[in-house]
Amino acid sequence: EIVLTQSPVTLSLSPGERATLSCRASQSVSSYLAWYQQKPGQAPRLLIFDASNRATGIPARFSGSGSGTDFTLTISSLEPEDFAVYYCQQRSNWPPITFGQGTRLEIK
Amino acid sequence: EVQLVESEGALVQPGGSLRLSCAASGFTFGSYWMSWVRQAPGKGLEWVANIKQDGSEKYYVDSVKGRFTISRDNAKKSLYLQMNSLRAEDTAVYYCARERCSSTSCFNDFWGQGTLVTVSS
Repeated sequence: EIVLTQSPVTLSLSPGERATLSCRASQSVSSYLAWYQQKPGQAPRLLIFDASNRATGIPARFSGSGSGTDFTLTISSLEPEDFAVYYCQQRSNWPPITFGQGTRLEIK
Repeated sequence: EVQLVESEGALVQPGGSLRLSCAASGFTFGSYWMSWVRQAPGKGLEWVANIKQDGSEKYYVDSVKGRFTISRDNAKKSLYLQMNSLRAEDTAVYYCARERCSSTSCFNDFWGQGTLVTVSS
């Protein structure tokens, strides 16, 4: 099973700042990595697929990068609505499909 | 507009059974893999199971193998999860999600609103 480890667990930033979230895989997942955003009481929303492709309707301030075992989700300038929990997911070596444990992005 | 609507969850006793359903609309249901993903209270996301377009392939996380069964009815545009021998650790919000595949990989592009299953005596 591929384990995804996200860091940091919690990230405290202010609106307008740049956010950098990390996802590390226990073995290579090539570019088969997706990122999701989840707000309290809501279902997850797809942000990024194939490590670096923005999903439909996702603002350009969200970007993804990386391949192999190290991946990054960057939010270039935080908007108030971006404060949420973010998860990475791998679909390389499955089953099982696995998620990281999440990074909580909170307002400083 | 793509919509996925899960059936109402329930409070179930340990060892009991429950069948979840997910009604799909706004897309050609039979053309997509479908998934169930769960989230225990205050915890992260956990993939539970998925099923191929024609139902010929099904996969499960180890913790539910032999207890849960995923199925679909393309004519009714519906996805199901039969959950038997329920345990306290199955308590979670269960999400139905569509899988979309690019040229390289697959991912969940639309999700239902989720339904809470509580296993407790």
